[in-house]
Amino acid sequence: EAGVVQSPRYKIIEKKQPVAFWCNPISGHNTLYWYLQNLGQGPELLIRYENEEAVDDSQLPKDRFSAERLKGVDSTLKIQPAELGDSAVYLCASSFKTSGGTNEQFFGPGTRLTVL
Amino acid sequence: GESVGLHLPTLSVQEGDNSIINCAYSNSASDYFIWYKQESGKGPQFIIDIRSNMDKRQGQRVTVLLNKTVKHLSLQIAATQPGDSAVYFCAENRAGRSGNTPLVFGKGTRLSVIA
Repeated sequence: EAGVVQSPRYKIIEKKQPVAFWCNPISGHNTLYWYLQNLGQGPELLIRYENEEAVDDSQLPKDRFSAERLKGVDSTLKIQPAELGDSAVYLCASSFKTSGGTNEQFFGPGTRLTVL
Repeated sequence: GESVGLHLPTLSVQEGDNSIINCAYSNSASDYFIWYKQESGKGPQFIIDIRSNMDKRQGQRVTVLLNKTVKHLSLQIAATQPGDSAVYFCAENRAGRSGNTPLVFGKGTRLSVIA
């Protein structure tokens, strides 16, 4: 079974440029997450989707970040314009919704963004 | 070797020894906890989880201990191997009817295994 797929794996851009990351979750997983991971830190949630609905985007900087999950499968995270402080690893994860059950989230390899 | 979690982010152990990685969590309402392993250039990988109605759970070479009284979680790795070298994160989550709520991760501990 294929895991969570992310692309690109690495991206280097100049500040003020736009950038987009793509995620394909595990087949059948209805919940998708985007996390930000700074060097030496744990991942921090940016946005969570249940199917195509963003149910938690409170930590997403909406002035420059946007995300979408059309058709409730693949998702795209965009930054426009990028700032130096956006340099980090952007992780996508997915899970299958359970009712009161456990929450094993499967992570992709991440996209390492460097803003120059 | 033993780590005090957030205050000692690097743990070095000899191959074959047991490792103990500690984590203090913050939310007394959290009722589900997970340990993740993250190797360089990869996303976090699930190791073991535990619900708050348990105080110990064992997997293959790994054991998680939960002390709800002091909000403390530990991961024990038996017979540590070079392949165990990675950063280990504890994560807390409030499971419930809403299902997949996000994980809140700790800062992580880097485990280095000395051959």
